[in-house]
Amino acid sequence: EAQVTQNPRYLITVTGKKLTVTCSQNMNHEYMSWYRQDPGLGLRQIYYSMNVEVTDKGDVPEGYKVSRKEKRNFPLILESPSPNQTSLYFCASTQWGTDTQYFGPGTRLTVL
Amino acid sequence: GQQLNQSPQSMFIQEGEDVSMNCTSSSIFNTWLWYKQDPGEGPVLLIALYKAGELTSNGRLTAQFGITRKDSFLNISASIPSDVGIYFCAGRLMDSNYQLIWGAGTKLIIKP
Repeated sequence: EAQVTQNPRYLITVTGKKLTVTCSQNMNHEYMSWYRQDPGLGLRQIYYSMNVEVTDKGDVPEGYKVSRKEKRNFPLILESPSPNQTSLYFCASTQWGTDTQYFGPGTRLTVL
Repeated sequence: GQQLNQSPQSMFIQEGEDVSMNCTSSSIFNTWLWYKQDPGEGPVLLIALYKAGELTSNGRLTAQFGITRKDSFLNISASIPSDVGIYFCAGRLMDSNYQLIWGAGTKLIIKP
């Protein structure tokens, strides 16, 4: 089954404790991205990647890092999380040349 | 970053009613997309539009690419309980890379 998986689905952590949210897709898509969703603001892109070893900043990259060492994986790293990063995070992947973004189930992060 | 103006923010409707929502911008787009997010899940693509004036249907859903290329509309006819969720518009600017700009979403709630 074609899917995007994210882990963990829920995470409560404390300020400053490094964390990684994993994202994996099994569709061999080139394009992957990370979004955060906050009430009243919709989806805002954090980082995106057009292919292996090619990443770029989205609209709200501050406080986040990503890597794309393999085509299927695109982890999101918060080196020193802060309470303003409390949000719902989505990973998505897209076949190059199409518009259908496949979203993961989301990761709800709370930073205390 | 840029954001689309999506309205209304939320709608309370009776089952069987028709629904209309729209997205506007001061910029010109070459692609408009409409997504739906069910509670607890990631967004799913409903309709993609590529030409000014284009009208496309997906079951009871109909979307239009505005003639000015600065807006798009989504209509749902004869709403049913499973239509509840958040509807997002997303657009791609003329001469942009693969990135999308997202509206803040329209939350659809059906009155019991």
